Amino acid sequence: DSGVTQTPKHLITATGQRVTLRCSPRSGDLSVYWYQQSLDQGLQFLIQYYNGEERAKGNILERFSAQQFPDLHSELNLSSLELGDSALYFCASSVGTSGNFYDEQYFGPGTRLTVT
Amino acid sequence: AQSVTQLDSQVPVFEEAPVELRCNYSSSVSVYLFWYVQYPNQGLQLLLKYLSGSTLVKGINGFEAEFNKSQTSFHLRKPSVHISDTAEYFCAVSARGRGAQKLVFGQGTRLTINP
Repeated sequence: DSGVTQTPKHLITATGQRVTLRCSPRSGDLSVYWYQQSLDQGLQFLIQYYNGEERAKGNILERFSAQQFPDLHSELNLSSLELGDSALYFCASSVGTSGNFYDEQYFGPGTRLTVT
Repeated sequence: AQSVTQLDSQVPVFEEAPVELRCNYSSSVSVYLFWYVQYPNQGLQLLLKYLSGSTLVKGINGFEAEFNKSQTSFHLRKPSVHISDTAEYFCAVSARGRGAQKLVFGQGTRLTINP
């Protein structure tokens, strides 16, 4: 158990709908990352937050957005869903140190999204 | 920017045989290197990591990997595999330093162990 929790575990929804995925980082971790794992794109970094602020952006679609709240949990919002958005969405967290230090990421179990 | 190439999408081996999963990376800056394992219907588990120092890194479940800077490779090896090693294996890199950094993953190698 990494200490990172994600809810829900599974989500089935229809095209055009909007969903919210939730992630609670390990206690004390300030950084949260979102990754998408799909059959055609593989494992891709979407976005990173550090202490409530967006820090880095990857291949995240404009229909997707994320935020990190004052209690440090994060939500990934996916809207106008398409069949191709079906994927496993992972959240990871890290302490979020700065400077020349290694900052290990701990992964949650993922949320499997199926768009029908 | 960084990129990772896993040279084999699938590797079938017999139980108790040795295995090598190949990984090459490209980066304009120094990197940390990782191997993750994903068992069926599960999340990602860190097998091992190279941060600095000895180029031979030992991880969990009897796996090891060797960092080769000149060949920009980080191949994963196990001398004798078990049925329970059947899983998907991902090589990943992140830029060294400057605090928290995103992971860039390869496409994965599906390891299948046959009895």
